[in-house]
Amino acid sequence: DAKTTQPPSMDCAEGRAANLPCNHSTISGNEYVYWYRQIHSQGPQYIIHGLKNNETNEMASLIITEDRKSSTLILPHATLRDTAVYYCIVRAPASNFGNEKLTFGTGTRLTIIP
Amino acid sequence: DVKVTQSSRYLVKRTGEKVFLECVQDMDHENMFWYRQDPGLGLRLIYFSYDVKMKEKGDIPEGYSVSREKKERFSLILESASTNQTSMYLCASSPTGTGRAEAFFGQGTRLTVV
Repeated sequence: DAKTTQPPSMDCAEGRAANLPCNHSTISGNEYVYWYRQIHSQGPQYIIHGLKNNETNEMASLIITEDRKSSTLILPHATLRDTAVYYCIVRAPASNFGNEKLTFGTGTRLTIIP
Repeated sequence: DVKVTQSSRYLVKRTGEKVFLECVQDMDHENMFWYRQDPGLGLRLIYFSYDVKMKEKGDIPEGYSVSREKKERFSLILESASTNQTSMYLCASSPTGTGRAEAFFGQGTRLTVV
């Protein structure tokens, strides 16, 4: 799995959009970008994933650059409950013949300021 | 509602004890993972399994072993617990295949070795 680089921490004002960057310059053509978040004392929770196109769901939007070497997770209207550690991961589709390994880095600690 | 269940939320063991951490998933997922999480170090992969009786070392397997006798259950074993194994342990599962294949996490077991 490709290595990712994220800033260790960020602050965002409540009600504003939180934009979390991730660099994955060694991403391979079949690797997806996944985002998870971990709220204090809980297990990580899936947020969104994408391959090439931008994606949006009820939680967030994912913007992937055209060269796929970086991405940005956008929380459109951040609330205090969005305070968490956010992990960016790149991973090829799992199969019984490889690619099962799933590794996380240290993520970005996002603090939403009232 | 999909679920990954870890047998204990908190556990205190003595140095030298053999410790079993149990994880059960009800989603018929092929892949299961064990991580430990320590302040400032993020989630580090200990072992993973992509099928019954199959296991692969992660990034920090030393001092640990695993067992997967049934598809739904993945056990982490500390053969002789030491104080440096005091940590939060997280179990996860994910399906095999293309498309949305996110991992689901348990709530974690906070192990203290005294």
